[in-house]
Amino acid sequence: EVQLVQSGAEVKKPGDSLKISCKGSGYSFNNYWIAWVRQVPGKGLEWMGIIYPGDSDTRYSPSFQGQVTISADKSISTVFLRWSGLKASDTAIYYCATYISTSSGGDSWGQGTLVTVSS
Amino acid sequence: SYVLTQPPSVSVAPGKTARITCGGNDIGGISVHWYQQKPGQAPVLVIYSDTVRPSGIPERFSASNSGNTATLTISRVEAGDEADFYCQVWDSSSDHGLFGGGTKLTVL
Repeated sequence: EVQLVQSGAEVKKPGDSLKISCKGSGYSFNNYWIAWVRQVPGKGLEWMGIIYPGDSDTRYSPSFQGQVTISADKSISTVFLRWSGLKASDTAIYYCATYISTSSGGDSWGQGTLVTVSS
Repeated sequence: SYVLTQPPSVSVAPGKTARITCGGNDIGGISVHWYQQKPGQAPVLVIYSDTVRPSGIPERFSASNSGNTATLTISRVEAGDEADFYCQVWDSSSDHGLFGGGTKLTVL
């Protein structure tokens, strides 16, 4: 069974750095893309970016390019989403999801990580 | 950049048919995927590659894609179908994915 398990909720202050994670199991981790999706409370889904753990090929939505960094560590079957300077507007639930290819649908999703940024 | 347009809300009586649209320029030429998200839960893929249902998704869910509009159809709507629905595509010209704004399905 494909499983994506995300790291726990975080409470941070503006300007803090943060790295959240998404660990895959039950499938060939290196051969499936993993995307990150943002959902501000009460709002819609926003596609942030996607990475292929096999070679770390990464694509970003223009809205998130330069704002976050997506990376992968194949040795522990984990993908990361990192911020170097959080803003209050980064407060959201962040989901990871597996994609067979960039043009396919996201067929397995993590449980989501709530990030709260407040002074 | 590419834009996907969904109606904010659709209402339907139980047992009737709901249709949720996703508009985009020549969207019929690219693969569209649909997700259902219930309150407090992660999204679930209900249709991929325009018309394909993943295993475990009821046959009541179907979809089409042609011209400038993709459509998700839910037949014999049940109270448990009430959720937010999102369409999603890959924008190959800009090399990134994107979602529509989402449609809230209300079962009357």
